[in-house]
Amino acid sequence: DAKTTQPNSMESNEEEPVHLPCNHSTISGTDYIHWYRQLPSQGPEYVIHGLTSNVNNRMASLAIAEDRKSSTLILHRATLRDAAVYYCILRDTNAGKSTFGDGTTLTVKP
Amino acid sequence: GAGVSQSPSNKVTEKGKDVELRCDPISGHTALYWYRQSLGQGLEFLIYFQGNSAPDKSGLPSDRFSAERTGGSVSTLTIQRTQQEDSAVYLCASSFRGGTGGEGTEAFFGQGTRLTVV
Repeated sequence: DAKTTQPNSMESNEEEPVHLPCNHSTISGTDYIHWYRQLPSQGPEYVIHGLTSNVNNRMASLAIAEDRKSSTLILHRATLRDAAVYYCILRDTNAGKSTFGDGTTLTVKP
Repeated sequence: GAGVSQSPSNKVTEKGKDVELRCDPISGHTALYWYRQSLGQGLEFLIYFQGNSAPDKSGLPSDRFSAERTGGSVSTLTIQRTQQEDSAVYLCASSFRGGTGGEGTEAFFGQGTRLTVV
């Protein structure tokens, strides 16, 4: 399975943008990039996904590198409620075996 | 229901006992996933059901673990002869369809069942 690499932790100030990076150098041509986040004591929550083009939704934006070997989740204005563990995963041909990894723990300071 | 429902929310069991964990997916979702999350760790894939296809059981850690999905809806994860290392939060998720990605493959997770083996 293609793997992803994320920093263990990041900090942000409230109401500032946050850029969460993810490396996936072994991504294959049909792998979609999915992002989830997990708030304390809750199950993961879907955030956004994409294949090649940048994507925007009400929660975040996803910027995908031209070679698709990396991507960045962008939270435009961080709030205290955005403090969570953010997971970048690849949906490969064995879709159920998505590997979540350890994610990035985002701390938002008031 | 509106979301994925798991029961019980908490389960404490004695070592060696069998336990059953239940997952009610979102109505109409054809794909169902089970994951396990140990304290402070990421999610570990266990098993994946997609429609009427044979489930992908490749993540089950031992033959003490089994799962079934009846009628394409409710799923039960069974752990026989529980061990202390089985203590974790067991998470179930469902998506409208399976596949590599794209619309309809985003997974919706339940709140999990916290299993403690004493």
